[in-house]
Amino acid sequence: NAGVTQTPKFRVLKTGQSMTLLCAQDMNHEYMYWYRQDPGMGLRLIHYSVGEGTTAKGEVPDGYNVSRLKKQNFLLGLESAAPSQTSVYFCASSSRTSSSYEQYFGPGTRLTVT
Amino acid sequence: GESVGLHLPTLSVQEGDNSIINCAYSNSASDYFIWYKQESGKGPQFIIDIRSNMDKRQGQRVTVLLNKTVKHLSLQIAATQPGDSAVYFCAENRNQGGKLIFGQGTELSVKP
Repeated sequence: NAGVTQTPKFRVLKTGQSMTLLCAQDMNHEYMYWYRQDPGMGLRLIHYSVGEGTTAKGEVPDGYNVSRLKKQNFLLGLESAAPSQTSVYFCASSSRTSSSYEQYFGPGTRLTVT
Repeated sequence: GESVGLHLPTLSVQEGDNSIINCAYSNSASDYFIWYKQESGKGPQFIIDIRSNMDKRQGQRVTVLLNKTVKHLSLQIAATQPGDSAVYFCAENRNQGGKLIFGQGTELSVKP
């Protein structure tokens, strides 16, 4: 099992450009999440999904959109990147049926917006 | 406001000593807590978790203690090793499905 994978690993954008981050998991998890992590801070939830075709806003959703067309994939989009979106982005997944709320994390995508 | 926070942003210990990392939470409705370890350049990795109906849970070299009276959580690492150097996050579930609320993190540095 590869677990949770994220592409790309690094990306540099100019202000106003758009991009999509891809998250894939092979654990058949129902729940998927997108977080951002800024220096010296914890993880902040951007958007999440409790199943295929469903998405919901997290703590910091502005400037981002998501889609969950397939159970194994969760896409995070930036329509018009801003320097404030420079961050490390983590995707995670978890099982609805597990007795634990453990989330499994990907390796992260480091995004710089100039 | 409600938050999960840490008392100390950095902790430096000698190799072989025990480490204690603390975490405070403010939401009494939280029923599940989890500790993650994040090494530089990597995603967080699960260490140990505990439900609110327990006071203590032990793993391999790690113990989590939960004090619901004062809303305090701690992670104890026995015989700390250089490989334990990382940032440690606590997180809580507030009865909101699978969502976790993360604290700021404590950076643990182990001196050889």
